[in-house]
Amino acid sequence: DSGVTQTPKHLITATGQRVTLRCSPRSGDLSVYWYQQSLDQGLQFLIQYYNGEERAKGNILERFSAQQFPDLHSELNLSSLELGDSALYFCASSEVSGIGGYTFGSGTRLTVV
Amino acid sequence: GESVGLHLPTLSVQEGDNSIINCAYSNSASDYFIWYKQESGKGPQFIIDIRSNMDKRQGQRVTVLLNKTVKHLSLQIAATQPGDSAVYFCAETSNAGGTSYGKLTFGQGTILTVHP
Repeated sequence: DSGVTQTPKHLITATGQRVTLRCSPRSGDLSVYWYQQSLDQGLQFLIQYYNGEERAKGNILERFSAQQFPDLHSELNLSSLELGDSALYFCASSEVSGIGGYTFGSGTRLTVV
Repeated sequence: GESVGLHLPTLSVQEGDNSIINCAYSNSASDYFIWYKQESGKGPQFIIDIRSNMDKRQGQRVTVLLNKTVKHLSLQIAATQPGDSAVYFCAETSNAGGTSYGKLTFGQGTILTVHP
């Protein structure tokens, strides 16, 4: 157990639907990062939150959004889902400096049918 | 059309051999580097890190070498074991002159297979 908890582990949904992925960071970590891992794109950075505020954005689609709550857990919302959104979605957390590495959760496998 | 999977480099070794996995990074401003191991169905797991003020760092059975001149990282695994079989990623980041590091940019990964 890495200390980063992601739910659900698996999600199967239809095109056009909306889903919410949840992440609880490691205790004490203020930064949360979301990554998408697909077969043809590798691990792609989506977005970072730090203590409730958006800190950095990667190639995140407009259909996707995220937030970090006062208790530091984060949610990634994916809407108007397309087949190509099928992927593994990982959350990672880090302490303030980032030194010591970023701890990843075990991911949510999203399948859009 | 048919989607094509990412073609990752592969390294196949015998149990007990030493393994060397290489990574070229792209951003000359990157000053913190991390190696991750990812087993099937799991999230990336931290192996070892190195800051740009060092060129070598050793851990348990692993060594990371950094060559900033040619923007190259390597991960050496000593006495490789079947349990080391996984995909290995290098990742880079920068603090951009600030006090904390930001997002990680990952390399494409290398598949390591260790044969008993």
